Amino acid sequence: DIQMTQFPSTLSASVGDRVTITCRASQDIFSWLAWYQQKPGRAPNLLIYKASTLQSGVPSRFSGSGSGTEFTLTISSLQPDDFATYYCQHYSSSSQTFGQGTRVDIK
Amino acid sequence: QVHLQETGPGLVRPSETLTLTCSVSNYSIAIDYYWGWVRQSPGQGLEWIGSIFHSGAAYYNPSLESRVTISVDTSKNQFSLAVTSLTAADTAVYYCVRGGGLRLTMMLVAFWGQGTLVTVSS
Repeated sequence: DIQMTQFPSTLSASVGDRVTITCRASQDIFSWLAWYQQKPGRAPNLLIYKASTLQSGVPSRFSGSGSGTEFTLTISSLQPDDFATYYCQHYSSSSQTFGQGTRVDIK
Repeated sequence: QVHLQETGPGLVRPSETLTLTCSVSNYSIAIDYYWGWVRQSPGQGLEWIGSIFHSGAAYYNPSLESRVTISVDTSKNQFSLAVTSLTAADTAVYYCVRGGGLRLTMMLVAFWGQGTLVTVSS
């Protein structure tokens, strides 16, 4: 099974900060990686797919990069609405695995 | 925009079977896309349960496959999840979802139901 490891598990930041979250796969997953944002009591929301493609309607301050086994989600300038938990996800025809999540909270 | 809504019991006893139904509106599930289920234990991360194509071809998380069945009823525009032999570890919020149109993207989810909390307890 492919394992997805995110770090850090918690991140404290201020409005306006540049924030980076890392996701590492236990084996090569090419670019089959997505990022989701989840707020308390809500369903997750798709931000990025195929490692770097921004989902329609998602603000451009979100970006994704990486391929193979190491991926990053970057928020260029953190906004009040961005305090949430972020999950990476490997998707494929045979395996679907989420990372354990990174909570971004207010410093 | 497609809308998904889960229905089912909020409380189920250990060893019993859970059945949840997802009603889909603003899109006919008979046309395309994979439809599936994801769960999230309290305070924990997300776990894929399984997905089904409108044709009925289903795929499951190997860790749950022996206890899970997903079925589709195109006449009602619904799909369902059954989980047998429940334990407290199955307590979670269960989401129904719409994935992509290819098997590769069956769990690339842009549309989620609001989720329903299922508690397994005697």
